[in-house]
Amino acid sequence: GEEVAQTPKHLVRGEGQKAKLYCAPIKGHSYVFWYQQVLKNEFKFLISFQNENVFDETGMPKERFSAKCLPNSPCSLEIQATKLEDSAVYFCASSQTTGNYGYTFGSGTRLTVV
Amino acid sequence: SQQGEEDPQALSIQEGENATMNCSYKTSINNLQWYRQNSGRGLVHLILIRSNEREKHSGRLRVTLDTSKKSSSLLITASRAADTASYFCAPGGLTGGGNKLTFGTGTQLKVEL
Repeated sequence: GEEVAQTPKHLVRGEGQKAKLYCAPIKGHSYVFWYQQVLKNEFKFLISFQNENVFDETGMPKERFSAKCLPNSPCSLEIQATKLEDSAVYFCASSQTTGNYGYTFGSGTRLTVV
Repeated sequence: SQQGEEDPQALSIQEGENATMNCSYKTSINNLQWYRQNSGRGLVHLILIRSNEREKHSGRLRVTLDTSKKSSSLLITASRAADTASYFCAPGGLTGGGNKLTFGTGTQLKVEL
């Protein structure tokens, strides 16, 4: 079936290094969301896109974090100069244009900053 | 955005029993969704109930919604060990598909053999 593909599954970075995560949403889904799960059960919304446009970036840290969704490319989330506190699982989700359908989540990228 | 709060935080039952978990929220909603997260995996959408619906079924799942009380419940009947997971509710706002979901801390369900 259709799925949201996130790569890589695991990423290890030394403190201060850059980390780049990728997400291929389901074809035809207009919206893409990024979430950060630090502790086992706490999800933090980071940013969402409507096609290639930023839709809501209220959860995005002002420094070091950036994201893009370009046409014909996977979406990306980039963290410059990673810190230990950035260690988390990052989930991407996509949804259809209307709001009465469930969102489809990827299986996440586990980022470990050492 | 709305955030749902799940209750209880943890629930342990025997296989074959029913599991009920609750969700409360604070503002008006367009719909409410329930998701499951198995350990180490992403969230899986279980069911969506619209604000004009009171009850919805999907297989062994039954969801109710009471907008006057701003609450929802998820019932899993005849539970199985494979149902062991964390369950999250996500109230959906009045905007369209771009409405971000805000999750609570979930209910951790453990189904024992």
